[in-house]
Amino acid sequence: DQQVKQNSPSLSVQEGRISILNCDYTNSMFDYFLWYKKYPAEGPTFLISISSIKDKNEDGRFTVFLNKSAKHLSLHIVPSQPGDSAVYFCAATDGGATNKLIFGTGTLLAVQP
Amino acid sequence: SAVISQKPSRDICQRGTSLTIQCQVDSQVTMMFWYRQQPGQSLTLIATANQGSEATYESGFVIDKFPISRPNLTFSTLTVSNMSPEDSSIYLCSVARGTYEQYFGPGTRLTVT
Repeated sequence: DQQVKQNSPSLSVQEGRISILNCDYTNSMFDYFLWYKKYPAEGPTFLISISSIKDKNEDGRFTVFLNKSAKHLSLHIVPSQPGDSAVYFCAATDGGATNKLIFGTGTLLAVQP
Repeated sequence: SAVISQKPSRDICQRGTSLTIQCQVDSQVTMMFWYRQQPGQSLTLIATANQGSEATYESGFVIDKFPISRPNLTFSTLTVSNMSPEDSSIYLCSVARGTYEQYFGPGTRLTVT
């Protein structure tokens, strides 16, 4: 059972435009969400996170939105840059003592110059 | 964040052999994690390794196949035993930081022939 889903395996965006990456989850016990970026041959890099008590968190060009009623979160990148081209994973946790993260399947973002 | 290194970065191994992957962190951490990313798949948690206690394995992973050591607060090893081609994956270690964030090593790309 895939508790965290990223239904778009890939996304192509023009440089300077907005990139919107989506993520859905099924477990209502999840209360903390994270986004990671992964380049080939590297480990995932933490980007931004959001707690379930918020609906928005912003860090520079990156903003994460959380809609708890819809069990949906999204990552907005504005403006998109060619260096943003990577695989983006969302992850979720129920905040238990194990710190266990459940990852989505990833979305490959290609930012065209 | 944390600086995490893994050895080896990649290896090609024969069926039936074992490989030990090392993970070194630049500072002391309580919780370390081992993940597997099979080709085209998401990151799947293998086990959580706390110093001074037995590793906690996720469903579908067993100690005989993936023994883990955690001799101190900056180091851990994961062994992939009696390998088969299905074990061909990227193996990643991570450490817990902040609220629930995890920071990842660069990964070990394993190919089993």
